[in-house]
Amino acid sequence: EDQVTQSPEALRLQEGESSSLNCSYTVSGLRGLFWYRQDPGKGPEFLFTLYSAGEEKEKERLKATLTKKESFLHITAPKPEDSATYLCAVQPNTGNQFYFGTGTSLTVIP
Amino acid sequence: SAVISQKPSRDICQRGTSLTIQCQVDSQVTMMFWYRQQPGQSLTLIATANQGSEATYESGFVIDKFPISRPNLTFSTLTVSNMSPEDSSIYLCSVVGQFEQYFGPGTRLTVT
Repeated sequence: EDQVTQSPEALRLQEGESSSLNCSYTVSGLRGLFWYRQDPGKGPEFLFTLYSAGEEKEKERLKATLTKKESFLHITAPKPEDSATYLCAVQPNTGNQFYFGTGTSLTVIP
Repeated sequence: SAVISQKPSRDICQRGTSLTIQCQVDSQVTMMFWYRQQPGQSLTLIATANQGSEATYESGFVIDKFPISRPNLTFSTLTVSNMSPEDSSIYLCSVVGQFEQYFGPGTRLTVT
């Protein structure tokens, strides 16, 4: 069964304190793994797509990596404006379905 | 990228009534997706809407409860019928680009 598990559920960081969010997945065949940012009261905002193990993508203070079983979203020197819920999703290589994790709620304290 | 708008942004409804949510995309797309996001839970796909054909519903969701229209390539509606408090949720419209998925801002529904 295709599924996605994110950890931790919540994370509080001091401004400048780097950390990583985890997304573990089980899928019969991976078409893509997606990271989103969701602010309260808004829809998810696309961040990255990763397609194969070893792939990395970067955007400002965020870096996403992918292995055959999990993905990490590394946050370097976070700022308060990075506070949001970060969602991970996988798309199997059959069908159009996306399977989402429950997200990690990140709070960055000034 | 795609810009998606939804109406209404939020609503409070009484049980037993119905609410229709509108989704407008700024470009033509083949497939549109409707998701539900309940508090503290992940996004759950309700159905996929293709223009010119009936929507395809995921397990646990039925057309009588969540009828969908897709009259053209830029617009879709989702109706939540005969609502109960368990339908309180955020409903999201989504489209898929070449490499990513775009979401609307969501409709926050509260059923009392």
